Amino acid sequence: SQQGEEDPQALSIQEGENATMNCSYKTSINNLQWYRQNSGRGLVHLILIRSNEREKHSGRLRVTLDTSKKSSSLLITASRAADTASYFCATDGNQFYFGTGTSLTVIP
Amino acid sequence: NAGVTQTPKFQVLKTGQSMTLQCAQDMNHEYMSWYRQDPGMGLRLIHYSVGAGITDQGEVPNGYNVSRSTTEDFPLRLLSAAPSQTSVYFCASSPRTSFVSPPKTGELFFGEGSRLTVL
Repeated sequence: SQQGEEDPQALSIQEGENATMNCSYKTSINNLQWYRQNSGRGLVHLILIRSNEREKHSGRLRVTLDTSKKSSSLLITASRAADTASYFCATDGNQFYFGTGTSLTVIP
Repeated sequence: NAGVTQTPKFQVLKTGQSMTLQCAQDMNHEYMSWYRQDPGMGLRLIHYSVGAGITDQGEVPNGYNVSRSTTEDFPLRLLSAAPSQTSVYFCASSPRTSFVSPPKTGELFFGEGSRLTVL
């Protein structure tokens, strides 16, 4: 499979805590992207990190990329109940391939 | 702008029936794709297109056909539905293109999904 894998599969935290999700992938990439999916909805783009970047920030999101290890992490700081969703990494090589997702639950 | 529009949102088929899932985007994106989402499997790429008249297979193309006669539309056809095709289907488009130099990257814009049940 071309898919990456997210770790952990499920994560439950208290509101205000930080949430970290990891993604490992198999192929060479042009960039790696993170998406969010609320229950029953389509995916929404969160952030893109290019293969020559190591870290990127956007609001409460921090993404790192290690191309030598073929891995990325997404950190959500000061989590809110509204952050409850599934989060997916997607590799952009010749096509977009998605990981299996992390289900995040933020408890108010 | 409407973005990416998928129809129908829900469909129930009997084994052996055929149907077409429609996908249209109004953002003039060259790249369009279809995914299926199954529990524990993430999103798997079925077919994709990098421009009108050009289509290619993804990870799980068997049982599905696509065509891309216009930039806006990218329908997905199930010729003879099977229970294994019960899934949620997502269409997505992107401004990503390799037809310029340097290639332009971009995010995927998703439709709201089509839930298909094959009995």
